[in-house]
Amino acid sequence: GAVVSQHPSWVICKSGTSVKIECRSLDFQATTMFWYRQFPKQSLMLMATSNEGSKATYEQGVEKDKFLINHASLTLSTLTVTSAHPEDSSFYICSARDSRSPFHEQYFGPGTRLTVT
Amino acid sequence: AQTVTQSQPEMSVQEAETVTLSCTYDTSESDYYLFWYKQPPSRQMILVIRQEAYKQQNATENRFSVNFQKAAKSFSLKISDSQLGDAAMYFCATAGFQKLVFGTGTRLLVSP
Repeated sequence: GAVVSQHPSWVICKSGTSVKIECRSLDFQATTMFWYRQFPKQSLMLMATSNEGSKATYEQGVEKDKFLINHASLTLSTLTVTSAHPEDSSFYICSARDSRSPFHEQYFGPGTRLTVT
Repeated sequence: AQTVTQSQPEMSVQEAETVTLSCTYDTSESDYYLFWYKQPPSRQMILVIRQEAYKQQNATENRFSVNFQKAAKSFSLKISDSQLGDAAMYFCATAGFQKLVFGTGTRLLVSP
């Protein structure tokens, strides 16, 4: 089956620093990857759509200069939270769409818990 | 624009019993898909079942089945013979060409 990995699974950083989260599709090529944010006991909120080789498309209200997304290859997308603040603490989930699948389904990574102190 | 509504914040069921989770949606897409995802305490999103909107036949995956009412824009999930491992958050979602839109989720509690 389609597997998506995320690294790290858990990270603590100091306020003002930047942190990078990697999302990899392990056994398929993903021309499109997605980044979500999930607060406790809430649903997933789409932050941005990442297309390989082009700029990411951000959802309304998401600061593109704060959440930098790069999709440099068909198997890797990265999310960099720049100048992190405590309010950026959250659970970040990536997903990848299998280019071969006709069903528009997304395969999800296990998530990254970010804590900003 | 797409919206998904899950009106049941929490549902309870006993082992071996059947439970139905409700979902309604709205979409402007003519070609779309519907999904139910499960999120256990590990927070890994797991696809439970999917339905192509152009298919009238309801999807079934082992103990999981859906009742898809296209005109009513309703997409409920039925879990038969509930097991302790079914306890999780369940999210209904719809997808057009690109992105998934999720509902707010229903927490399913399963008691022995």
